[in-house]
Amino acid sequence: SYVLTQPPSVSVAPGKTARITCGGNNIGGKPVHWYQQKPGQAPVLVIYYDRDRPSEIPERFSGSNSENTATLTVSRVEAGDEADYYCQVWDSSSDHVVFGGGTKLTVL
Amino acid sequence: EVQLVESGGGLVQPGGSLRLSCAASGFTFSHYEMNWVRQAPGKGLEWVSYINSNGITKYYADSVKGRFTISRDSAKNSLYLQMNSLRAEDTALYYCVRGESQGHFQHWGQGTLVTVSS
Repeated sequence: SYVLTQPPSVSVAPGKTARITCGGNNIGGKPVHWYQQKPGQAPVLVIYYDRDRPSEIPERFSGSNSENTATLTVSRVEAGDEADYYCQVWDSSSDHVVFGGGTKLTVL
Repeated sequence: EVQLVESGGGLVQPGGSLRLSCAASGFTFSHYEMNWVRQAPGKGLEWVSYINSNGITKYYADSVKGRFTISRDSAKNSLYLQMNSLRAEDTALYYCVRGESQGHFQHWGQGTLVTVSS
């Protein structure tokens, strides 16, 4: 089955840039979606189809996807960005939705 | 406004059954694919099951295949998950999620908690 690998944690100082990676075999050939989840809340879509943003998501959130790694970039990080982030794809070979294990973003 | 409201969670003994429901509103339910996604306490997101807009095509995670059944009733704007032979590892918050055109999930319910324990 298809596996998505994320680092368990990423730390960044306020105002700096955080990059959260999502590794998968030839993931560049699949649309990748990203979710933000804060404690006690349902996940929120922040990036879909590699780099598109829902209208309510700040421009500070961006995405890219190439070869074996997709990346969520959070620019000018704020304390409110502290959350768990998950990547997700549809694996057509198994007809399964696949989530990465999640990355905890800590704002120092 | 899109709303997804789950219900039916609770405490059940191992080997028992439970039926989750999701009431959808604010959109044309019969036009959308739907999913169940779960999250065990302190763990990550795990996709459980998918059903297409007309209810014919269904997919399941390997961990629940043969034990869980997804269904929908467009007349009632409702999604269901019948869970049989429940195990301790099925303990989780279960989210009802609307599928979008690119396979992403923009609308989530608040979840219903299932606890499997003796």
